[in-house]
Amino acid sequence: DAKTTQPNSMESNEEEPVHLPCNHSTISGTDYIHWYRQLPSQGPEYVIHGLTSNVNNRMASLAIAEDRKSSTLILHRATLRDAAVYYCILRGFDEKAAGNKLTFGGGTRVLVKP
Amino acid sequence: DAMVIQNPRYQVTQFGKPVTLSCSQTLNHNVMYWYQQKSSQAPKLLFHYYDKDFNNEADTPDNFQSRRPNTSFCFLDIRSPGLGDAAMYLCATSRDRGANEKLFFGSGTQLSVL
Repeated sequence: DAKTTQPNSMESNEEEPVHLPCNHSTISGTDYIHWYRQLPSQGPEYVIHGLTSNVNNRMASLAIAEDRKSSTLILHRATLRDAAVYYCILRGFDEKAAGNKLTFGGGTRVLVKP
Repeated sequence: DAMVIQNPRYQVTQFGKPVTLSCSQTLNHNVMYWYQQKSSQAPKLLFHYYDKDFNNEADTPDNFQSRRPNTSFCFLDIRSPGLGDAAMYLCATSRDRGANEKLFFGSGTQLSVL
């Protein structure tokens, strides 16, 4: 699986935007960029995903660089409930496996200060 | 409204005593996954079912087995739990295996081995 690189942690103030970077320089043309987050003592939760174009949904926005070697997850107004570990994951076809796996990397721990 | 349900939330077993964790889903998804997450680490994929087709990860120990008797249910069997198997076990589903498919996770079962 192509690897991603994320900062270990980030801090933000409540109601301010949060920009979470992710580097994926070895991304292949068919890899989708997925973001999941995991709140304390919970299972991971889908946030957003994209292939080439920027994407928006009710939770966040995903900005994808033109060369696709990096992306940024944007939380427009952080709340205390957004404190979680955010995982940037590349999902593409794995020839060794029978399909497309979702392999988690290190993630970024987001702390939101009131 | 829970769509992926894991029971129990907490499970305690003894060293070497077989244990079974269960997962059910109301989404009628084709794919079901089992992940292991140890403290302060990212989730690690153990195996997945695509319909009835079982797909094991290369580094999953033989001590871990799985059963999927029907679309809705999937079980994780640990034949002889060791102290190193204490972890959160996460079940997830997806509609299909495409790279743009989202995964839906349960809340997990926290396994303790005494």
